[in-house]
Amino acid sequence: NAGVTQTPKFQVLKTGQSMTLQCAQDMNHEYMSWYRQDPGMGLRLIHYSVGAGITDQGEVPNGYNVSRSTTEDFPLRLLSAAPSQTSVYFCASSYSETGGNSPLHFGNGTRLTVT
Amino acid sequence: GDSVTQMEGPVTLSEEAFLTINCTYTATGYPSLFWYVQYPGEGLQLLLKATKADDKGSNKGFEATYRKETTSFHLEKGSVQVSDSAVYFCALTSGSRLTFGEGTQLTVNP
Repeated sequence: NAGVTQTPKFQVLKTGQSMTLQCAQDMNHEYMSWYRQDPGMGLRLIHYSVGAGITDQGEVPNGYNVSRSTTEDFPLRLLSAAPSQTSVYFCASSYSETGGNSPLHFGNGTRLTVT
Repeated sequence: GDSVTQMEGPVTLSEEAFLTINCTYTATGYPSLFWYVQYPGEGLQLLLKATKADDKGSNKGFEATYRKETTSFHLEKGSVQVSDSAVYFCALTSGSRLTFGEGTQLTVNP
């Protein structure tokens, strides 16, 4: 039972480089989301999706793109990395839009450093 | 907008001590409230939840009561263990978004 799988676990980029953080879940969850975790700021929502083909912006979407072509996968793209994007990124999913009876399941995170 | 405020950390306790981590919130409507826990090197896991006023969530010896009159959801445990060392996040959901507090680092020493 894999749950939510994120790859890679660690990544170092130079300013201006692009990359994609991968996220896959095997629980047939409709809702998927990306958060970044920074010291003293908790987790902030970047983008989310309520189903295949549907995405929306969260609290801090600038500099990130997402797509949802399948229920299982929700990749996060950095088109031109900046040092401000140095963070730990978490993918999370739930059965339906987050509510009292649909808690989030988190991946183990990707630690990204942009130099 | 919605917001969650947690007590500042880090918190360091000895084994078997009593734990309280304060959490207050601001939200429109009637949010559901959660505590998530993050062990080192892992993602967050749901610890407990409460979906309406006066509900008490509990799990693994931890408890929190949804207090609408004080807009609070304080986390408590009567006797902490070394294995409880982790970061604890209070969160609320109103609609489709989950809003997190900044997290409180707990270290329990033997």
